[in-house]
Amino acid sequence: KAGVTQTPRYLIKTRGQQVTLSCSPISGHRSVSWYQQTPGQGLQFLFEYFSETQRNKGNFPGRFSGRQFSNSRSEMNVSTLELGDSALYLCASSLAVGVAYEQYFGPGTRLTVT
Amino acid sequence: SQQGEEDPQALSIQEGENATMNCSYKTSINNLQWYRQNSGRGLVHLILIRSNEREKHSGRLRVTLDTSKKSSSLLITASRAADTASYFCATVGDYGGSQGNLIFGKGTKLSVKP
Repeated sequence: KAGVTQTPRYLIKTRGQQVTLSCSPISGHRSVSWYQQTPGQGLQFLFEYFSETQRNKGNFPGRFSGRQFSNSRSEMNVSTLELGDSALYLCASSLAVGVAYEQYFGPGTRLTVT
Repeated sequence: SQQGEEDPQALSIQEGENATMNCSYKTSINNLQWYRQNSGRGLVHLILIRSNEREKHSGRLRVTLDTSKKSSSLLITASRAADTASYFCATVGDYGGSQGNLIFGKGTKLSVKP
């Protein structure tokens, strides 16, 4: 089975622009989560989606949004980019929601905001 | 918010030696997991230990959990250069009931010299 794929892998944007990142989960997985990783704050939870519904959202401003499609693919959008949004954005998928379901992570999208 | 805090932040050892990393967390947990990350790439799930377990083994990995002290340790025996990576502990976040919103510690950066 193919793993979690994220596109693009690298991205350079300018302050004030917006960006959309994509995540394709493992086939059959219906839950997708997003995380932001920075040197200063470490790994932080952004959102969790299951069956096209956002289940949970982390403590991030409204500039960060996401969605999940009927094929379980997910996108996250960051509007009005700030320098501090430079980070590695990781997507993870699992079969379903629940403490028993292991998360499988993608390779990440490295976003640089200049 | 950081739930797990790893110690030490960095560890440098020779091939063949054992590496021990510790993690402390703040709230009660259902389970605790350890992940590995190679040089800013995706996370790889290593092992999960449930709150009613005290010790778990997987290959060269040994994890212990002390819920009374809210701490866990990861031991890698007979380390290899390929074990060079950052190691994170993670617990289920405040939203509960799902692995999809993990709270990660800041990680231990392990360097294994050949």
